[in-house]
Amino acid sequence: DGGITQSPKYLFRKEGQNVTLSCEQNLNHDAMYWYRQDPGQGLRLIYYSQIVNDFQKGDIAEGYSVSREKKESFPLTVTSAQKNPTAFYLCASRGPTNTEAFFGQGTRLTVV
Amino acid sequence: AQSVTQLDSQVPVFEEAPVELRCNYSSSVSVYLFWYVQYPNQGLQLLLKYLSGSTLVKGINGFEAEFNKSQTSFHLRKPSVHISDTAEYFCAGRTGGFKTIFGAGTRLFVKA
Repeated sequence: DGGITQSPKYLFRKEGQNVTLSCEQNLNHDAMYWYRQDPGQGLRLIYYSQIVNDFQKGDIAEGYSVSREKKESFPLTVTSAQKNPTAFYLCASRGPTNTEAFFGQGTRLTVV
Repeated sequence: AQSVTQLDSQVPVFEEAPVELRCNYSSSVSVYLFWYVQYPNQGLQLLLKYLSGSTLVKGINGFEAEFNKSQTSFHLRKPSVHISDTAEYFCAGRTGGFKTIFGAGTRLFVKA
């Protein structure tokens, strides 16, 4: 089945550590996105990529980094520079003929 | 500025009653409009979308929405809700570009 896979589903991080969240899609979509979700704030765009080896900052990119070396993969690294990383992170993708984005199941990151 | 505003953060309703979840959008995001549903600790699933044509859009699970250009609204409705409709609902809009703008979400709570 085609879809978007995020892993892990739950992730715990100590303060000062970097962590990487995985996002893989087999939908052959060019565009991929990372969103952060906090209660009552909806989804905020962190980074997006329109094509392999290219990506742009979204509205809240500080403290995050991404790479897009392969079409199917768009990992997100939450660095120690992110002051409040505890949140639910959602990855999405969209194909050229799609008007809507398709979402993964999310990763819940907790800083302990 | 691009914006999508969901007018209610929480909507409690009794089972089998009708429900309306309200959404207003700015004209800059009116090209494509969407409603998504999110169950706890899961990703977003598309309920319905408006692209053009008929202003009444039917989606999955018995939901429908009406595009109203003069009032810049895209309200979601269901004539009779079930317990299983308890979830968070997001209104979203996109111009022809790559960014989708999400509202803050409305939590629908269906009571027995």
